[in-house]
Amino acid sequence: QVKLQESGPGLVKPSETLSLICTVSGASVSDFYWSWIRRSPGEGLEWLGSISNTGNTKYNPSFESRVTISPDTTKNQLSLKLMSVTTADTAIYYCARGLDLFEYWGQGSRVLVSS
Amino acid sequence: DIVMTQSPDSLAVSLGERATINCKSSQSVLYTSNNKNYLAWYQLKPQEPPRLLIYWASTRVSGVPDRFRGSGSGTDFTLTITNVQADDVAVYYCQQYHRTPTFGQGTRLEIK
Repeated sequence: QVKLQESGPGLVKPSETLSLICTVSGASVSDFYWSWIRRSPGEGLEWLGSISNTGNTKYNPSFESRVTISPDTTKNQLSLKLMSVTTADTAIYYCARGLDLFEYWGQGSRVLVSS
Repeated sequence: DIVMTQSPDSLAVSLGERATINCKSSQSVLYTSNNKNYLAWYQLKPQEPPRLLIYWASTRVSGVPDRFRGSGSGTDFTLTITNVQADDVAVYYCQQYHRTPTFGQGTRLEIK
């Protein structure tokens, strides 16, 4: 049974870097594509980017200058870093399995950007 | 980007009745070389992981009740839920994966 669990700070200050971890069980991060997606009040669901089983990344052009997705195969985790956040980055952040079709999702990690 | 537009934004139906949710893409998501529509539907409930219901516009994920039916091609798609149950209360999203993935704005389903 594949399970994904996001974790990280619930509060980030404007201009700082948002950092989240996705812990995967029931599948290896080395065997599939994985993505980060967010759900915000203003924009709905937005795909941020994906990482392949070989570590190749693909990012949404809208976020490409600020986002980094990377794996930690020893811990079977994925990380998301989003730099220079503003209040518009307040959202629930999900990790999901898949490149562009998302078969399994985590429950999401709520992040508030506020000073 | 391909813009996905859902209608209505919300709907309320009685238990046992049918719910119909529409999704329109700003350009075709049909890939003619394999005749597949790159369109998926998801169900989002509070405190639960989002759930993939349908992909290729009409293929149900294993375990999804056959009350959920996806249809359409090209730019116009429909999610039909027959015999609506209380457990179906959720927000439903369409998503295209023909290009950079984009989602509709969501349709909230409530019980009347």
